[in-house]
Amino acid sequence: GENVEQHPSTLSVQEGDSAVIKCTYSDSASNYFPWYKQELGKRPQLIIDIRSNVGEKKDQRIAVTLNKTAKHFSLHITETQPEDSAVYFCAASINAGNMLTFGGGTRLMVKP
Amino acid sequence: EPEVTQTPSHQVTQMGQEVILRCVPISNHLYFYWYRQILGQKVEFLVSFYNNEISEKSEIFDDQFSVERPDGSNFTLKIRSTKLEDSAMYFCASTMTGNGYTFGSGTRLTVV
Repeated sequence: GENVEQHPSTLSVQEGDSAVIKCTYSDSASNYFPWYKQELGKRPQLIIDIRSNVGEKKDQRIAVTLNKTAKHFSLHITETQPEDSAVYFCAASINAGNMLTFGGGTRLMVKP
Repeated sequence: EPEVTQTPSHQVTQMGQEVILRCVPISNHLYFYWYRQILGQKVEFLVSFYNNEISEKSEIFDDQFSVERPDGSNFTLKIRSTKLEDSAMYFCASTMTGNGYTFGSGTRLTVV
């Protein structure tokens, strides 16, 4: 089955700096790669997703890149703010309606 | 914005007891899911449900677990004989075809 590895497990940045979180996956059949933000004690919330027919997608300060050949994808957050502090999870699945396999999560801390 | 609703928010149960976790997915969604998250760990897939039947399930979803959509709105997860290791946050999710999941706010299950 699919295996998703996520790095780093914790990331501390100064407010205004950029943050990059990386994930690798094992199943070449995976085509859908969402990113979720989870604040303490709350539900995971979808922040951005990308499908395999696209190499990059951007939404304001957040961007995701996908390298299907190398089987890795990354989340980029620019101009970080304290409210970006949370745990971020990457995930992979064959299609958007199929089961998601999650990475281990990255705790992002943005210092004011 | 439509939400996935879960009840109860917290359930404490004795080991060996049966529990039923309830979810009301978003009304026009067609795919329903249960995931769990043990404290501090990643989100793990349990089961997906489409067209009134299970479409995928993980190794975690053994004979102790069952799902049901008893009417047009509720989606339930039953654990027949709870074990200590079933203690986790259980998230329900739903989606339309081709879109990302919307997660519910979760039920924290504590087995004592």
